[in-house]
Amino acid sequence: AQRVTQPEKLLSVFKGAPVELKCNYSYSGSPELFWYVQYSRQRLQLLLRHISRESIKGFTADLNKGETSFHLKKPFAQEEDSAMYYCALSPLGNEKLTFGTGTRLTIIP
Amino acid sequence: DAGVIQSPRHEVTEMGQEVTLRCKPISGHNSLFWYRQTMMRGLELLIYFNNNVPIDDSGMPEDRFSAKMPNASFSTLKIQPSEPRDSAVYFCASTLGDTSYEQYFGPGTRLTVT
Repeated sequence: AQRVTQPEKLLSVFKGAPVELKCNYSYSGSPELFWYVQYSRQRLQLLLRHISRESIKGFTADLNKGETSFHLKKPFAQEEDSAMYYCALSPLGNEKLTFGTGTRLTIIP
Repeated sequence: DAGVIQSPRHEVTEMGQEVTLRCKPISGHNSLFWYRQTMMRGLELLIYFNNNVPIDDSGMPEDRFSAKMPNASFSTLKIQPSEPRDSAVYFCASTLGDTSYEQYFGPGTRLTVT
């Protein structure tokens, strides 16, 4: 069975400061890792996936298999980054997603 | 495309009543997922379908919950009888069913059981 842990339910960061949302996973096989985001009054949507190795809205996430982590980072927070962020995992080749409990990020002006 | 459509957006019902939530996936998508979101447990997968066939229903809490997908453009999640602990936001999502894995979510149905 797979498990995704997001240890912080709430995270507040000042505008312009670096952001790191933590995500750890437990899975014995090869995982696909994702970050989904839900902005206020908007639908939950994909932010990025580890296989793409891309930066979206200034966010990056590196899969660290040794530490079983997939932390989301951004060097300079912006007010529009305030949202609910979910880390998710799927077994390779399987579309079933297991989500973490989410972290609500608030950017302080 | 309007994306994934869910109805109703809000539902308030009394304990013991039957509740039916509806979902229309994005046209052409082959897989459909039902999730429940609560503050304590976050997003939990209840059940998912591929080509209208239930693939994994291990997340369905108990026999009071049932889901159907009679065709490629419609699915229902039914709770009978409803209980106050079922109060949550229920999301439907769909995917192409290929290796892209990106799930497209509906706006959710906020269910309150009193």
